[in-house]
Amino acid sequence: KAGVTQTPRYLIKTRGQQVTLSCSPISGHRSVSWYQQTPGQGLQFLFEYFSETQRNKGNFPGRFSGRQFSNSRSEMNVSTLELGDSALYLCASSLGAGNTPLHFGNGTRLTVT
Amino acid sequence: GIQVEQSPPDLILQEGANSTLRCNFSDSVNNLQWFHQNPWGQLINLFYIPSGTKQNGRLSATTVATERYSLLYISSSQTTDSGVYFCAVDLTGANNLFFGTGTRLTVIP
Repeated sequence: KAGVTQTPRYLIKTRGQQVTLSCSPISGHRSVSWYQQTPGQGLQFLFEYFSETQRNKGNFPGRFSGRQFSNSRSEMNVSTLELGDSALYLCASSLGAGNTPLHFGNGTRLTVT
Repeated sequence: GIQVEQSPPDLILQEGANSTLRCNFSDSVNNLQWFHQNPWGQLINLFYIPSGTKQNGRLSATTVATERYSLLYISSSQTTDSGVYFCAVDLTGANNLFFGTGTRLTVIP
């Protein structure tokens, strides 16, 4: 079974631009969650989707948004990029609605210049 | 908010040594998971362990939920064990994890 797939692996963007990251979960997994990892703040929860519905959102500004499609694939979008958005963005999928192990993809490393 | 503290922050081991990593959390949680982040950044799920003890090869983990801590044991360490070990707790059981700051393990040959 293929693991969680994130594309692209690396991105370089300029301040003010927007970016879309993609995540394909493990086959059969219906929950997809997104995390941001930075050296200063560590790993922080962005949002989680289950059956196309956002169930939880972390403490991030509205510039960060996401969605989930009927095939459970998910995208996250960051608009009006700031230098501080440079980070490793990790997507995780889980089989159930909760209380099941999370499995992470390799991440997308975003650099904002 | 919940506090998740891991100790020690850094650990250097000789290959073949054993180690214990600790995770303390400040509130009741629905579940707890341990992850290993390899040098390429990938997070690997080691254990889903809301309570009790589990073993997987040279690794084992114990969570005492009533006392709000979990331990990860690594025996006969290998250089491939190097990386950062995170514990993460889920307050609601809805796949919203709060991560600790991690323990950076370096295993030298």
